[in-house]
Amino acid sequence: EVHLVESGGGLVQPGGSLRLSCAASDFIFTTYWMAWVRQAPGKGLEWVANINQDGSVQYYVDSVKGRFTISRDNTQNSLYLQMNSLRVEDTALYYCARDHISGWSLDSWGQGTLVTVSS
Amino acid sequence: EIVLTQSPGTLSLSPGERATLSCRASQSVGTHLAWYQQRPGQPPRLLIYHASNRATGIPDRFSGSGSGTDFTLTISRLEPEDFAVYYCQRNGNRFGPGTKVDIK
Repeated sequence: EVHLVESGGGLVQPGGSLRLSCAASDFIFTTYWMAWVRQAPGKGLEWVANINQDGSVQYYVDSVKGRFTISRDNTQNSLYLQMNSLRVEDTALYYCARDHISGWSLDSWGQGTLVTVSS
Repeated sequence: EIVLTQSPGTLSLSPGERATLSCRASQSVGTHLAWYQQRPGQPPRLLIYHASNRATGIPDRFSGSGSGTDFTLTISRLEPEDFAVYYCQRNGNRFGPGTKVDIK
């Protein structure tokens, strides 16, 4: 069974930074695209970013471009999300997810880590 | 940008009934459409990928159909654990706003 465990969430002031981590296990990490998806309290799902197998290609939702950076360390089976210039509207539960092997969907999800941006 | 619309917003049904959920894209997405179920307090679970393929471990009462701009998720007979929110997703990124299936 695939395991994805997020960490690094917390309370941060507007304008601050956080780095989220996702530890992956029980699958061949280097085979898959990976993604971050967030969910604001009581709201729907919002795809944030994804990254290809070797980390050379990344895509972002417009609202985080220039502020967030997705990366991965294949030697550590880990995915990261560096979040800078945080805004109140970035408050959400952030999920790490694995792309389906055939693409175009997310077949495994972690439990999420909560980011709260507030003064 | 291709926008997804889901209808209805809420579907009130009884256990054993059939549920039909719709997802419409503003432009064609081919068959790059997935469906997820999210129960309260849980992460989403992939149900259907490539519009009509059931994900691993998903019961056969769940089925997906459609291509281009119009897609349907059908739950043939609702079980108690099926009352949840359902999201469609296009091209592996943007999600629709969701349909809540609640108990009538």
